[in-house]
Amino acid sequence: DAGITQSPRYKITETGRQVTLMCHQTWSHSYMFWYRQDLGHGLRLIYYSAAADITDKGEVPDGYVVSRSKTENFPLTLESATRSQTSVYFCASSEQLAGASDNEQFFGPGTRLTVL
Amino acid sequence: GENVEQHPSTLSVQEGDSAVIKCTYSDSASNYFPWYKQELGKGPQLIIDIRSNVGEKKDQRIAVTLNKTAKHFSLHITETQPEDSAVYFCAARWLGGGSNYKLTFGKGTLLTVNP
Repeated sequence: DAGITQSPRYKITETGRQVTLMCHQTWSHSYMFWYRQDLGHGLRLIYYSAAADITDKGEVPDGYVVSRSKTENFPLTLESATRSQTSVYFCASSEQLAGASDNEQFFGPGTRLTVL
Repeated sequence: GENVEQHPSTLSVQEGDSAVIKCTYSDSASNYFPWYKQELGKGPQLIIDIRSNVGEKKDQRIAVTLNKTAKHFSLHITETQPEDSAVYFCAARWLGGGSNYKLTFGKGTLLTVNP
């Protein structure tokens, strides 16, 4: 049971380049999320998705693009990377149980991105 | 939207002592409050959660308390061990429109347990 995986785990790129971070989950969870983690800011939501072909902006979406053509994949693209996007990126997934108010989010191991 | 404040940002305790981390939230509509633990180099992992219809929940050495009136909740770790050293995040679920599955996280507390 692989769970939720992210690739690459580490990436160094240059300003202006396009970068895509991959996220794959094997649970067929409906919901998927992208967060960035920066010192002093905790976890901030970039984008989220309720199902295939349904995505929405989170707290800090500028400079990022997402897609979700398949339930199990949720790639995050930085179309023109900037130094301020240097961060650790976490993907998460969860399932919404009918009638439940809680929904545990399962996090991937993270991708450390450095933009030079 | 929801806003979650977490204190302290760093906490250092001696092994065997207790540790308490506190969070406040702004939206009275929030009804679910999880706590996540993040070990070095890993993603956060849920350790305990509480719903708004419960005032306290305990799981072995960890417990969470909720005060709905004051809009704050706390994580209590007793008999701390070195393996409890990690970053802890609180979160609240904001019941807003069709996106009621989103979590808003606090900024985290780095807990260090000294042997």
